[in-house]
Amino acid sequence: EDKVVQSPLSLVVHEGDTVTLNCSYEVTNFRSLLWYKQEKKAPTFLFMLTSSGIEKKSGRLSSILDKKELFSILNITATQTGDSAIYLCAVDNNNDMRFGAGTRLTVKP
Amino acid sequence: NAGVMQNPRHLVRRRGQEARLRCSPMKGHSHVYWYRQLPEEGLKFMVYLQKENIIDESGMPKERFSAEFPKEGPSILRIQQVVRGDSAAYFCASSPLRALNTEAFFGQGTRLTVV
Repeated sequence: EDKVVQSPLSLVVHEGDTVTLNCSYEVTNFRSLLWYKQEKKAPTFLFMLTSSGIEKKSGRLSSILDKKELFSILNITATQTGDSAIYLCAVDNNNDMRFGAGTRLTVKP
Repeated sequence: NAGVMQNPRHLVRRRGQEARLRCSPMKGHSHVYWYRQLPEEGLKFMVYLQKENIIDESGMPKERFSAEFPKEGPSILRIQQVVRGDSAAYFCASSPLRALNTEAFFGQGTRLTVV
């Protein structure tokens, strides 16, 4: 059965720290992997990854996909309190989208 | 505890027909959110419901779209007189709390194709 596993489930850091969030997956028909930041009303789209080894960057956030080892990481550098959120990973398997349980990140001042 | 269940997973409708998408939240969750995802895009908020109440429908088109979350049974997203542009994946999420960013779980989506 297709599945997406995120780790850690929860993470507490201090402002300025760098964090790495993990997402591993097993799907039969991989199309893309997406990262979201779960906001109050709707998840904010961060990245969509389809190819291995190509890093995507947006400000302090970056992400990369490894299709051989079936995982992706989301890096956040120089964390700020506003980065506190649940970060979701989802994998599109051409049939539906499987979401991970999320990583709850708390950034303390 | 089953996760959020959406059905059908795939739905094909001809232009002008009605589409009904169902979302059964996780047990104990009384908050449901619906989203639409167009290809290559993120999830766009449509509507937020609690049991028997629409709390926020600011993301939902004014015409042809409606949503409900009855006291018993799943939440329904209804699209009347579908058009090609309605083709998309529709996701729902459920939460025990008001804000999505505290705890929420997503269904696998319904892929609607309008032919």
